[in-house]
Amino acid sequence: SQQGEEDPQALSIQEGENATMNCSYKTSINNLQWYRQNSGRGLVHLILIRSNEREKHSGRLRVTLDTSKKSSSLLITASRAADTASYFCATGFGATNKLIFGTGTLLAVQP
Amino acid sequence: DAGITQSPRHKVTETGTPVTLRCHQTENHRYMYWYRQDPGHGLRLIHYSYGVKDTDKGEVSDGYSVSRSKTEDFLLTLESATSSQTSVYFCAISGISELGTGIETQYFGPGTRLLVL
Repeated sequence: SQQGEEDPQALSIQEGENATMNCSYKTSINNLQWYRQNSGRGLVHLILIRSNEREKHSGRLRVTLDTSKKSSSLLITASRAADTASYFCATGFGATNKLIFGTGTLLAVQP
Repeated sequence: DAGITQSPRHKVTETGTPVTLRCHQTENHRYMYWYRQDPGHGLRLIHYSYGVKDTDKGEVSDGYSVSRSKTEDFLLTLESATSSQTSVYFCAISGISELGTGIETQYFGPGTRLLVL
């Protein structure tokens, strides 16, 4: 399977702390994306990093990509209670950029 | 949810009955996808469409069929529902990126919770 694996499966931190979650994958990719899912809702796109990029920032989000290790990390700085959600990485591959999703990291930010 | 609606939002049905889920978009995007989400598996692609009447299988397509007769609608049909098809189903859409670099970001609907008894 090309499915991404995420680590950790669950993470609990205090408000104001940084949260880091990791994603590993198995094959060559076009890009890697991170999505957030609040309980009972659909997925929301957060950030995309292409295979020729190494780091990308968006607000409090920082994503890194290491294609030699086939891994990515998502850093959320100065976390807030509203960041509590499940976070999924998804790797895009092939001509139609089909996405393969990881199993997700459940982040709980305690106020 | 980027102009995507799914209907019904919740459904309870019995084993062996046919079920059709509808995804409707107002974004005029070319690509549409159906996923299922189950604990421990993340999201898995069932079928996708790259244009009207153009569809292809994903990684978990057995027991499902799809149809797309117009750009805005993508239907997922369970011909004879089984308990293993109890899941949350998500529709997603995507189009050409703003940079013109090809299909990238997917936008998701709110999901349909299906329970097969």
